[in-house]
Amino acid sequence: AQKVTQAQTEISVVEKEDVTLDCVYETRDTTYYLFWYKQPPSGELVFLIRRNSFDEQNEISGRYSWNFQKSTSSFNFTITASQVVDSAVYFCALSMDSNYQLIWGAGTKLIIKP
Amino acid sequence: KAGVTQTPRYLIKTRGQQVTLSCSPISGHRSVSWYQQTPGQGLQFLFEYFSETQRNKGNFPGRFSGRQFSNSRSEMNVSTLELGDSALYLCASRPGTVEDTQYFGPGTRLTVL
Repeated sequence: AQKVTQAQTEISVVEKEDVTLDCVYETRDTTYYLFWYKQPPSGELVFLIRRNSFDEQNEISGRYSWNFQKSTSSFNFTITASQVVDSAVYFCALSMDSNYQLIWGAGTKLIIKP
Repeated sequence: KAGVTQTPRYLIKTRGQQVTLSCSPISGHRSVSWYQQTPGQGLQFLFEYFSETQRNKGNFPGRFSGRQFSNSRSEMNVSTLELGDSALYLCASRPGTVEDTQYFGPGTRLTVL
C-alpha cells in the first residue's frame, strides 16, 4: 500500500527560528516521486519541490532545504530563519510510475509568530 | 505562461442539485487531474484525464464525473448534491507523463446547503 504520513498536525514557532516538517512515505514501487506543496490561506496549492527516487541529493533553495533519505523513507523539509509569510499548510505527496495520482499526507499547519 | 484557471471560484448549491466546475490547464499541458479537499478527509484524488480519456479514477461514487475536451480543458460534474460534497475542488495540470509535476489552480469552493 502507498501512504504518506505527516505526523505533525500543527507547528508554531517565533519568527527567525528554524523549523523542520517531517514526511514519511510508504511504497513498494522502486521508481517514485516525492513532492512538497504549500497551501496559503487563499487555498491554491503552490509547488515547492520534486524529488525522484533515484536522486537522493539534498536540495537547498534560499531559506528552504530538503533532506531525502531512502533508508528511512523520509523526505523532510526545513525552513531556516522562518518568516511570517511562511505561515501556511504544507503538504507532502507521493506518486509512482504505476499510478498517476498524487497520494497526500494530512498536511502540517505552520504558524510563524512575529 | 498563464497558470491553471478554475471557474467559478465560489458556488453555493442546495441538496439534490447538480453542479459543473471548469478547469483550463496551462497551455501545452494535456493532463488534468481533479482533487477534493475537505477538513475531515484531506486531499483526495477524483480522476485524471489525458487526451480526452479518463486515465485514472479515485474512489468516489458515480455522482462524480468528468470529461476533457480537445483543447485539454476539463469539466467535472457532481449530480444529486449532498451536504458532504461541500469542499474545495482543486484542478491540476501537467504535460502528461507520470513523473511530471502537477500545477494547481486556485480551486472552486463549493458549499451545499
